[in-house]
Amino acid sequence: GAVVSQHPSRVICKSGTSVKIECRSLDFQATTMFWYRQFPKQSLMLMATSNEGSKATYEQGVEKDKFLINHASLTLSTLTVASAHPEDSSFYICSARDRRGAPDTQYFGPGTRLTVL
Amino acid sequence: SQQGEEDPQALSIQEGENATMNCSYKTSINNLQWYRQNSGRGLVHLILIRSNEREKHSGRLRVTLDTSKKSSSLLITASRAADTASYFCATDGVGTALIFGKGTTLSVSS
Repeated sequence: GAVVSQHPSRVICKSGTSVKIECRSLDFQATTMFWYRQFPKQSLMLMATSNEGSKATYEQGVEKDKFLINHASLTLSTLTVASAHPEDSSFYICSARDRRGAPDTQYFGPGTRLTVL
Repeated sequence: SQQGEEDPQALSIQEGENATMNCSYKTSINNLQWYRQNSGRGLVHLILIRSNEREKHSGRLRVTLDTSKKSSSLLITASRAADTASYFCATDGVGTALIFGKGTTLSVSS
């Protein structure tokens, strides 16, 4: 089946550092990728929708200047947490839709755990 | 934004018992999906039910969908300790992102 990878799987950084998380579709092309955030013991919250070659669409309340999304190719989207602070510590999960597949099929990455000290 | 509300928030049962989780949502949907998440791990897709379907089975899983009540249920029969996890329903429109419910934490003790 389709595979989505995320890198890194875990990152610990100091407050004020910028952190980049990569989301790759390994065996399919994804015109659309989604980024979610999950705080401990909570559900996944959609942060933004990333379309290849265009600007991401952010959900209400998500700061676009803080969570920078770049979808430069059909297999890669990156999320950069700019000047991370402890409150940004969370589990970040991406998903990707196969452009040749059914529109209701999304494949999830394994997630990236960010801890900001 | 959050679409679904799972009920109950937490469920503790013994091995061999059945577990039933419910999900309610607010807007019209194209599909409803159920996912499992083990603590601190990624999502595992369990089952997808389309808006024109009423019931679907997959192994020990049974999902129902009532679009008139905007609700779905997930039944796990003959539960095992390995079923211990959080379970989320997720809904989407055509070509849109999945919107997740708050989840039910299931604990199965042996």
